[in-house]
Formats: sequence, structure tokens, C-alpha cells
Amino acid sequence: EVQLVESGGGLVQPGGSLRLSCAASGFTFGAYWMNWVRQAPGKGLEWVANIRQDGSEKYYVDSVKGRFTISRDNAENSMYLQMNNLRAEDTALYYCARGYLTLLRDWGQGTLVTVSS
Amino acid sequence: DIVLTQSPGSLSLSPGERATLSCRASQSVSSSYLAWYQQKPGQPPRLLMYGASSRATGIPDRFSGSGSGTDFTLTISRLEPEDFAVYYCQHYGTSTGTFGRGTKVEIK
Repeated sequence: EVQLVESGGGLVQPGGSLRLSCAASGFTFGAYWMNWVRQAPGKGLEWVANIRQDGSEKYYVDSVKGRFTISRDNAENSMYLQMNNLRAEDTALYYCARGYLTLLRDWGQGTLVTVSS
Repeated sequence: DIVLTQSPGSLSLSPGERATLSCRASQSVSSSYLAWYQQKPGQPPRLLMYGASSRATGIPDRFSGSGSGTDFTLTISRLEPEDFAVYYCQHYGTSTGTFGRGTKVEIK
């Protein structure tokens, strides 16, 4: 069974940093593109970033470029999202998702990030 | 960047009725890289359709997708109680995963 478990969310002040983690199990982690998607409270879905199987390609939505960095450790079956210079508009539930490119077949339950003073 | 516009924003229907959801792209979506997701309250989204018209694993055949270019449709032939949810279309690819703003299908 595919399992994706996010962690690392919490309350942070504007301008602060957080590192999200996604622990994967039940599949060959290194064979899949991995993605982060976020959902602000009561709002729709926003694709945030993705990373190729070997980490050689990374893509970001414009609003997080230069502030967020996606990475992965295939030996640890884990993906990460380093978030710097956080803004109020980054407040959201952050989902980890696997799939083909940005076609998202399996999702975690999400970790909540709140940016507030 | 491609913008996806979903309509209507909400739809009020009764179980057994047919639901027709629209997704219009601001420019042509190549190779029908168009997907649909269903999201229920408190749950992550679930992939329903990809390639505009292919059902994902385990999706019942009352769900169907159609369209090409800039106009796409998700049809639920006969609504079951578990189908009342929010539906999102998505343009997927290597470096883009743009979602529409969603259509909420509510019980009438």
C-alpha cells in the first residue's frame, strides 16, 4: 500500500523558515516524480513544486521561486521542501504527492503551515 | 501560463441526476494533458481522470471525461451520494500542474 506521510508543519512568523518532510513507503520511491501541492484554508489547490526521480530536474510555481527548495533522498525514501522567507499567503495545508510528472496519483494527508505574527 | 476556468462554480443536484462540469483552458492543452480530481471535506484529492478521458484505477464508469484543445468536460452520469464533492481540473506536464478553481457539486 502506498503511504505518504508529511511532517514539519507549524506556526512560523513572517520571514521565517520551515522544512517539510514527506516519508514514502509501499512503492519504489526512486522511480517516481514527486510533488508538493498546497491548499489555503477554504481555497482551491495550488501545485507548488516537483522533482525528477534522480533529483536532476526541479520546477516551481512562480510565487515560490527563490524562496522554496525541493529535494529528495532516495536512500531514505523521503522528499523535502525547504521554505524560507515565508509570507502570510504561504499559509496552507501542504500535500506530498507522487505521480507521473505533475499528474498526481497518490496523496498524503497533508501538514499545515501557518504564517502569522 | 495556461489558466483553467471551471464552470459552474457550484452545482446543486439530486442523487440520480446527471452532472456536467466544464473546464476551459486559456490556450490549447497539448496531448490532452488534462486531469480531473475529486476532493471531499477533510480528505486529500483523488485522481479521477487523466488524458482528458481515461479513468484512473478504481474509478467507476459513471464518471467520464471528454474534450480536447481548450474545452473539457467531466460528466457524472448518475450521481451517487458519495459523489457530492469538489471537482478540480488540472493541466499537468513536466513543469506545470495548474489547477482550476473547482466546481462544488452539492446535494439539492
